[in-house]
Amino acid sequence: EPEVTQTPSHQVTQMGQEVILRCVPISNHLYFYWYRQILGQKVEFLVSFYNNEISEKSEIFDDQFSVERPDGSNFTLKIRSTKLEDSAMYFCASREQVYNEQFFGPGTRLTVL
Amino acid sequence: DAKTTQPNSMESNEEEPVHLPCNHSTISGTDYIHWYRQLPSQGPEYVIHGLTSNVNNRMASLAIAEDRKSSTLILHRATLRDAAVYYCIPAGNNNDMRFGAGTRLTVKP
Repeated sequence: EPEVTQTPSHQVTQMGQEVILRCVPISNHLYFYWYRQILGQKVEFLVSFYNNEISEKSEIFDDQFSVERPDGSNFTLKIRSTKLEDSAMYFCASREQVYNEQFFGPGTRLTVL
Repeated sequence: DAKTTQPNSMESNEEEPVHLPCNHSTISGTDYIHWYRQLPSQGPEYVIHGLTSNVNNRMASLAIAEDRKSSTLILHRATLRDAAVYYCIPAGNNNDMRFGAGTRLTVKP
């Protein structure tokens, strides 16, 4: 069964460093998402992406964040200058069409020291 | 975004049915009602969604009130693997999922 994959599974970085989290969505999917979940808290929407541009973003997704689909398969989330409060699980998701279900990846745990 | 109200937690015995309620009284007419769940240490997983009619799939059933202000997710025979946090999410055309706190389901053997 097709699945969304994410790398790395765990990333440790120093405050102020740039990180890139990578996702490979399901191949025929057209809509892509990033969410985050701070330990013990709810899953929070960050950004949605369709047709090579951001469709919607939350108030969390400020200028420190960017997304890109550099080729036909990868979808990346970049955090330019990490802060301690960026420590969280980051989930990528994709869906095929409007009103289809979203498929989530296993997540990348980001730890900022 | 429509506000949702779900119990913080529920318990069930294995092999028994579970009814997980959700109130979404401010839902808009075009919002679908989505249910996702999150097993421990995993990403969210789609369970079911519907608009007006009751829906069934291999995982669960979704009963939607006639006025659409509430819905109930039904697990017909809970297993230990169904222990998770269950999220009810009204979502519109853009389909961005805005998760609430959900209901933590504990299944007792």
